[in-house]
Amino acid sequence: DARVTQTPRHKVTEMGQEVTMRCQPILGHNTVFWYRQTMMQGLELLAYFRNRAPLDDSGMPKDRFSAEMPDATLATLKIQPSEPRDSAVYFCASGLVPKAAFFGQGTRLTVV
Amino acid sequence: QKEVEQNSGPLSVPEGAIASLNCTYSDRGSQSFFWYRQYSGKSPELIMFIYSNGDKEDGRFTAQLNKASQYVSLLIRDSQPSDSATYLCAVNDDNTGKLIFGQGTTLQVKP
Repeated sequence: DARVTQTPRHKVTEMGQEVTMRCQPILGHNTVFWYRQTMMQGLELLAYFRNRAPLDDSGMPKDRFSAEMPDATLATLKIQPSEPRDSAVYFCASGLVPKAAFFGQGTRLTVV
Repeated sequence: QKEVEQNSGPLSVPEGAIASLNCTYSDRGSQSFFWYRQYSGKSPELIMFIYSNGDKEDGRFTAQLNKASQYVSLLIRDSQPSDSATYLCAVNDDNTGKLIFGQGTTLQVKP
């Protein structure tokens, strides 16, 4: 049963701490997306990779967010330092461009 | 102007009726179009995709695409209370691979 796996599912952290979210895309998919979802902004595209190369990270605050894909089975999204406004659900999705993307279950981040 | 626009709703329809959800997009380079359903507290799940102008039917769902008008819609026939969810329109530029979502439309199907 192929699925996108995200860890952790929930994270509560204090302001100023580093947060790392991980994603295992579906095997064989060539594109990985990171999205952030809030009630106010909806689903915002933060960054995406094709064949592990970053294509666009213009949706991310560059000073605190970074996204990497060290190998085909792992994508990471880091926030350092975290701030309360970063509280949101972060989704990873993978797909075969130009076909659809499939979502992981998300990481619910709360920064206090 | 947002790249992908949807009416946030809520759209309320009685059980058994047809629900019509609409989406417009700004980038004429967009070539692939998707509808996702998201239940509260869950992740988006793909329900339909369409690449060519016209209609595409899958069970109770019909996706409609008009590239000239930059418009894509989703019809849900015989709506059920279990269809109550947020429906997200997504548009993909095949050249860049960018997949952009609208804000979503909340559908409420009343028994």
